[in-house]
Amino acid sequence: GENVEQHPSTLSVQEGDSAVIKCTYSDSASNYFPWYKQELGKGPQLIIDIRSNVGEKKDQRIAVTLNKTAKHFSLHITETQPEDSAVYFCAASIRSGGYQKVTFGIGTKLQVIP
Amino acid sequence: DVKVTQSSRYLVKRTGEKVFLECVQDMDHENMFWYRQDPGLGLRLIYFSYDVKMKEKGDIPEGYSVSREKKERFSLILESASTNQTSMYLCASSLPLLGRDGQFFGPGTRLTVL
Repeated sequence: GENVEQHPSTLSVQEGDSAVIKCTYSDSASNYFPWYKQELGKGPQLIIDIRSNVGEKKDQRIAVTLNKTAKHFSLHITETQPEDSAVYFCAASIRSGGYQKVTFGIGTKLQVIP
Repeated sequence: DVKVTQSSRYLVKRTGEKVFLECVQDMDHENMFWYRQDPGLGLRLIYFSYDVKMKEKGDIPEGYSVSREKKERFSLILESASTNQTSMYLCASSLPLLGRDGQFFGPGTRLTVL
């Protein structure tokens, strides 16, 4: 089955700096790559996603890049703010019959230091 | 405001007890999922359902069963709770093939088995 590796597991940055989280996947058939943010005491929430026919996608201060050849994708957060502090999960999804199977990475705990 | 709700935020049970975790979504989503979240392991899929009365095993179904009698409700059952089932349990829902908005997660139930 699909295997998703995510690193680093923890990341501390100064407010205003950029943060980058990297993930790799194993199955070249994966076609959808969502990123989720989990704040303390809450469930994960989708923040951005990218499909396999796109190389980069931006939404204000966050961007995701996808390299299908190398089978890796990354989340970039610019001008970090304290409210960006959370656990971030990457995921890779494969269509299997009539549904999409999603495999998550282990998560990255981001701390933004004011 | 779309919502996935879980019946309990915290639950303490004893070894051997039968445990029911309930999840309700108000978005008329076809797909519903149960994950467990453990430090260093990320989110792992236990079971999912793509329609009423339909269920599919995820990556770690052993020791669990599910029930989906109505579209909005998906229950996770631990037939005989064991200490290694102490974990955070997350329910999620989505449109077929994850739709445009990915999965919506509930706030989680932290289960402790003594």
